Amino acid sequence: AQKVTQAQTEISVVEKEDVTLDCVYETRDTTYYLFWYKQPPSGELVFLIRRNSFDEQNEISGRYSWNFQKSTSSFNFTITASQVVDSAVYFCALSEAKNSGYALNFGKGTSLLVTP
Amino acid sequence: NAGVMQNPRHLVRRRGQEARLRCSPMKGHSHVYWYRQLPEEGLKFMVYLQKENIIDESGMPKERFSAEFPKEGPSILRIQQVVRGDSAAYFCASSPPRASMNTEAFFGQGTRLTVV
Repeated sequence: AQKVTQAQTEISVVEKEDVTLDCVYETRDTTYYLFWYKQPPSGELVFLIRRNSFDEQNEISGRYSWNFQKSTSSFNFTITASQVVDSAVYFCALSEAKNSGYALNFGKGTSLLVTP
Repeated sequence: NAGVMQNPRHLVRRRGQEARLRCSPMKGHSHVYWYRQLPEEGLKFMVYLQKENIIDESGMPKERFSAEFPKEGPSILRIQQVVRGDSAAYFCASSPPRASMNTEAFFGQGTRLTVV
């Protein structure tokens, strides 16, 4: 069975600090995708990244970076120089094939609070 | 190019009433997914539909819940005889035909159902 674990329920940092959000997953599939979504207080889901199971290169996008390590089944997300606008709930998700489509298995989320 | 449209954004129902949640996928998208987010939880997959077909409903509660995606019009998630435990945010996502795990699913802004 597939599972996504985000062990950190809440994190609080002061603006400009770096923060890493952990994500550990379980799957028996050889091909899968990992995702991160941001859910700000307004409630919508904002897509951040999708990573293929065959591509272990780290990725950087502005202040965001992702570290995918297949050996430890982890896909961690780091925000550098955090800002108040980064305050949100962040979800890690794992794709699961569903016939001709797919669905996402989400972790329970990490609530990040960035204070001035 | 409008995104995934869900309405209403907020819905209040008394116990025992019916709730109908609507989702209009992005233009050209024929795959629709419904997810439920209980308070303080991640999103849980409910059902996957293509036009006029339910492909996978493994996440749907066995009773009171149904979903459809007719040839014309939006996808509808219907909850009969609502109970307090149905209070949640319901998200719809859509993806194009022949979607694979490499295809991004776009999420709507969600419908927040409150049962009083």
